[in-house]
Amino acid sequence: SQQGEEDPQALSIQEGENATMNCSYKTSINNLQWYRQNSGRGLVHLILIRSNEREKHSGRLRVTLDTSKKSSSLLITASRAADTASYFCAPEWGGSYIPTFGRGTSLIVHP
Amino acid sequence: KAGVTQTPRYLIKTRGQQVTLSCSPISGHRSVSWYQQTPGQGLQFLFEYFSETQRNKGNFPGRFSGRQFSNSRSEMNVSTLELGDSALYLCASSLYGGGNNEQFFGPGTRLTVL
Repeated sequence: SQQGEEDPQALSIQEGENATMNCSYKTSINNLQWYRQNSGRGLVHLILIRSNEREKHSGRLRVTLDTSKKSSSLLITASRAADTASYFCAPEWGGSYIPTFGRGTSLIVHP
Repeated sequence: KAGVTQTPRYLIKTRGQQVTLSCSPISGHRSVSWYQQTPGQGLQFLFEYFSETQRNKGNFPGRFSGRQFSNSRSEMNVSTLELGDSALYLCASSLYGGGNNEQFFGPGTRLTVL
């Protein structure tokens, strides 16, 4: 499969702690995007990282990409209860640049 | 700027029936993609339309089809519904599709097949 695979499947932390989610994929990619989904609703785009980039930041979010290991990670610092959601990585591969989603990591942040 | 809208939000059908879902993209966006989300399979790409043409297609049977109109609005149709078609169907729009383009997702249509 060429979709991303997130790990862990579920993560439960306390407010204020950091949350790290990992994504692995199997083929060379053009870009990789991270999305968030709240309670079975539409997805919200978080960050896009290109294959020639190693790290990107957006507010409390930090994304890394290691193309040699075919993996990416999403770090949320100082988590809040509002960060409770499912997080998906979506590698884009081939000429079509269609993002392929995994099953996501379900994050619960306890207040 | 209004976001992506999908209608209806909820739908209940029986096996063998057909269904049409609608998606209105953000104004100015020319690419519309459709995804099926189920607990077992996760988010799976159905197809992408750009300027009224299907540009990419996922691995779904021919019962799943779609189209895009000149105003970029899109519809997807599922014929001869099966129980396994019960899912959340998400539509996403972007300016041009392809890489380096952020996709904006609608709230989804939850289809239940009885």
